[in-house]
Amino acid sequence: AQSVTQLDSQVPVFEEAPVELRCNYSSSVSVYLFWYVQYPNQGLQLLLKYLSGSTLVKGINGFEAEFNKSQTSFHLRKPSVHISDTAEYFCAVSLYTGFQKLVFGTGTRLLVSP
Amino acid sequence: NAGVTQTPKFQVLKTGQSMTLQCAQDMNHNSMYWYRQDPGMGLRLIYYSASEGTTDKGEVPNGYNVSRLNKREFSLRLESAAPSQTSVYFCASSEGGESSNEQFFGPGTRLTVL
Repeated sequence: AQSVTQLDSQVPVFEEAPVELRCNYSSSVSVYLFWYVQYPNQGLQLLLKYLSGSTLVKGINGFEAEFNKSQTSFHLRKPSVHISDTAEYFCAVSLYTGFQKLVFGTGTRLLVSP
Repeated sequence: NAGVTQTPKFQVLKTGQSMTLQCAQDMNHNSMYWYRQDPGMGLRLIYYSASEGTTDKGEVPNGYNVSRLNKREFSLRLESAAPSQTSVYFCASSEGGESSNEQFFGPGTRLTVL
């Protein structure tokens, strides 16, 4: 079975600083990888996803993520964060085949302060 | 388009009471999902419906039942609520069951069981 690990439960950062949110996964078969964002008191929305091809994936709001197969990682990065990026970020995986059932990590809360 | 809507937004129940959480989507999606979100545990799949007329158990189905009423609506029922079911419940939908698809989430229902 696949699993997702987000080691950092909370990441504090100052506005305009760069940030990296870490995600590692384990699976015995190939997977698709996703990052979702949850703003306070809202549902989740897709930031970006990796399906195949280029290992660097660009998403909305200036975020990008790099798929590293050898390290089984899919870390999320942004070169300069804004106050409005304060939210919880979830990494998720889904098997290549069969019906999509996302497995989520435990989430990382990004706290951006002035 | 309203996307995915959920009712109610908040609910407080006493142990043993029953209730139904409602979910509807207006995107003509085939697949629908119910998740629960608990602190430090991310989102966990309760039940899903791959297409109209079908439902299947997810990771944590005990204590819940679902009904796919039609293509638009997917309800979650708690027959006899327990304090362990205190959580935030999210409904989601996707165009189809393919693993690469994006899931669209509702705003959530915050349930407290006393």
